[in-house]
Amino acid sequence: NAGVMQNPRHLVRRRGQEARLRCSPMKGHSHVYWYRQLPEEGLKFMVYLQKENIIDESGMPKERFSAEFPKEGPSILRIQQVVRGDSAAYFCASSPDYRVAKNIQYFGAGTRLSVL
Amino acid sequence: SQQGEEDPQALSIQEGENATMNCSYKTSINNLQWYRQNSGRGLVHLILIRSNEREKHSGRLRVTLDTSKKSSSLLITASRAADTASYFCATVFFGSGNTGKLIFGQGTTLQVKP
Repeated sequence: NAGVMQNPRHLVRRRGQEARLRCSPMKGHSHVYWYRQLPEEGLKFMVYLQKENIIDESGMPKERFSAEFPKEGPSILRIQQVVRGDSAAYFCASSPDYRVAKNIQYFGAGTRLSVL
Repeated sequence: SQQGEEDPQALSIQEGENATMNCSYKTSINNLQWYRQNSGRGLVHLILIRSNEREKHSGRLRVTLDTSKKSSSLLITASRAADTASYFCATVFFGSGNTGKLIFGQGTTLQVKP
């Protein structure tokens, strides 16, 4: 059973370009969370999705950021018109069902975005 | 901000010694979890303690939870060089609107010298 797969592992973009980060959850998991980690900091929640639905996007910046989790295929975190402040590690985590008391999340290795 | 705090921010010990890390949080919680992050890697779940539990063990790990003080501690006994990593506490808050999102502390960087 493969773990959470994120790609690419490293992504370099110039200011103004678009960044697309992909996340395939563990088999059997239908809940996906995205977190951002700035250098020397802890992770900050961005968005929580189930298949075809955004459940909680309270941590998403209001502009330029969007996320989706289609019926088929990976979850995508899209950042339009990237700026240097978007440089960070972006982690995806999946979980079988948050309503279970044990909401243990399984993390991918992350995508490290560098904006030049 | 719901973000918690951890202390110390950095800890350096010799192999074989015990390491203790503390975490404080701000809201009522459903559970508290500890994760480890090796340099440049993703997070690995270590242990979960529910809000109605006070202490939990897993191998060389011991976690305590004091909900009255809104604090938790992680003890790693008989540390090894392989324990070198950053350790984060994360809470799942209790109440309506709970979507299971994790609220992370700032982390403690542990270095275990051989």
